[in-house]
Amino acid sequence: GAGVSQSPRYKVAKRGQDVALRCDPISGHVSLFWYQQALGQGPEFLTYFQNEAQLDKSGLPSDRFFAERPEGSVSTLKIQRTQQEDSAVYLCASSLQTVLYTGELFFGEGSRLTVL
Amino acid sequence: QQQVKQSPQSLIVQKGGISIINCAYENTAFDYFPWYQQFPGKGPALLIAIRPDVSEKKEGRFTISFNKSAKQFSLHIMDSQPGDSATYFCAASGGNNAGNMLTFGGGTRLMVKP
Repeated sequence: GAGVSQSPRYKVAKRGQDVALRCDPISGHVSLFWYQQALGQGPEFLTYFQNEAQLDKSGLPSDRFFAERPEGSVSTLKIQRTQQEDSAVYLCASSLQTVLYTGELFFGEGSRLTVL
Repeated sequence: QQQVKQSPQSLIVQKGGISIINCAYENTAFDYFPWYQQFPGKGPALLIAIRPDVSEKKEGRFTISFNKSAKQFSLHIMDSQPGDSATYFCAASGGNNAGNMLTFGGGTRLMVKP
């Protein structure tokens, strides 16, 4: 596809369930980011990959959150034992460049997670 | 800690008017200041960006004004159109440990009335 693709677009989980969110970045993009966007708020950084290396995971809110990008392309964000406060839109973004200001960051449409 | 503060939270402008959104930052290490536009159900899309070596950047109807000493930057939308109705986010990045992490403001919901 031409853009960043995320799936599922919508996910409803019962509290305590595990969820996995997938991101297909634009082909050839080196940098991949995950952001969390609560309703009515700005996106908040979760984690950053350069190829398959996770260079920054300082934004992951707890050890229930785990992200991987094993082959340097598709990435999965996994949330274990979901809680109501995890309800948000999870945005994936990718860039051809390794330095932000040298290349545009392209966002996907997000995966909306609702935890009941 | 909210490092980028954005105002106003919402804005209503008549068609043809000027929309102005302001942001202030705290971290003096920030060196990249993009603005994003987000429509409902979509991801943010880059609108325009500036680096601190210039005080103003214009692209079409969109202008960023940057005041390094005041640690403030703003987005001006000239001749605002109903199609500009969206949520706008300012953001910032930079510094030794966070060069690739964008810190977003809280967003401004813009409505342009026909």
